Amino acid sequence: QKEVEQNSGPLSVPEGAIASLNCTYSDRGSQSFFWYRQYSGKSPELIMFIYSNGDKEDGRFTAQLNKASQYVSLLIRDSQPSDSATYLCAVTLGSGGGADGLTFGKGTHLIIQP
Amino acid sequence: DVKVTQSSRYLVKRTGEKVFLECVQDMDHENMFWYRQDPGLGLRLIYFSYDVKMKEKGDIPEGYSVSREKKERFSLILESASTNQTSMYLCASSLTGGHVMQYFGPGTRLTVT
Repeated sequence: QKEVEQNSGPLSVPEGAIASLNCTYSDRGSQSFFWYRQYSGKSPELIMFIYSNGDKEDGRFTAQLNKASQYVSLLIRDSQPSDSATYLCAVTLGSGGGADGLTFGKGTHLIIQP
Repeated sequence: DVKVTQSSRYLVKRTGEKVFLECVQDMDHENMFWYRQDPGLGLRLIYFSYDVKMKEKGDIPEGYSVSREKKERFSLILESASTNQTSMYLCASSLTGGHVMQYFGPGTRLTVT
């Protein structure tokens, strides 16, 4: 059974600070890792993806992957109130385009305090 | 931009009714997926399809069926709706090959009374 674990939160971070979101996964064969942001009542929106060990930066977002420890994290620099949302970590086995679907964590609720 | 649309944002049905949820994508994606999302349980995969007329069961297929007659359209069918199928239903699509991403539609909030 593939499992993806996230702390449900809420995680409260002051505006302008760095928000750090963590995710662990159980299947060592997992190859593709995604972060989705979901505002209340809306559908998930892809914000980052990472496949290789190390860091990947995109604007204020940095995804970090450590396959040996089976964890992936998302850092949000200069946090803004608009970053307040639930962040979903998702994992797929293999590189076949995720054709067998993604396994999602239950999400971390992030609150950025003005 | 990838666009995935779903036929209804909100739907209210009665127990025992047959319910059709439609999903259309305009990016020529091979793969399409149906998930449901419930508080405390997260997103769970119901069915997916990697080609026209092909379907595969996900983690929770019981009580559901799907149809994919055209590449751009993937339908979720509740043969006899029950109250425990009240949920947010999300459709997604993706290309095949390499590390590709899934894109979601806006979702359908279904209430079965």
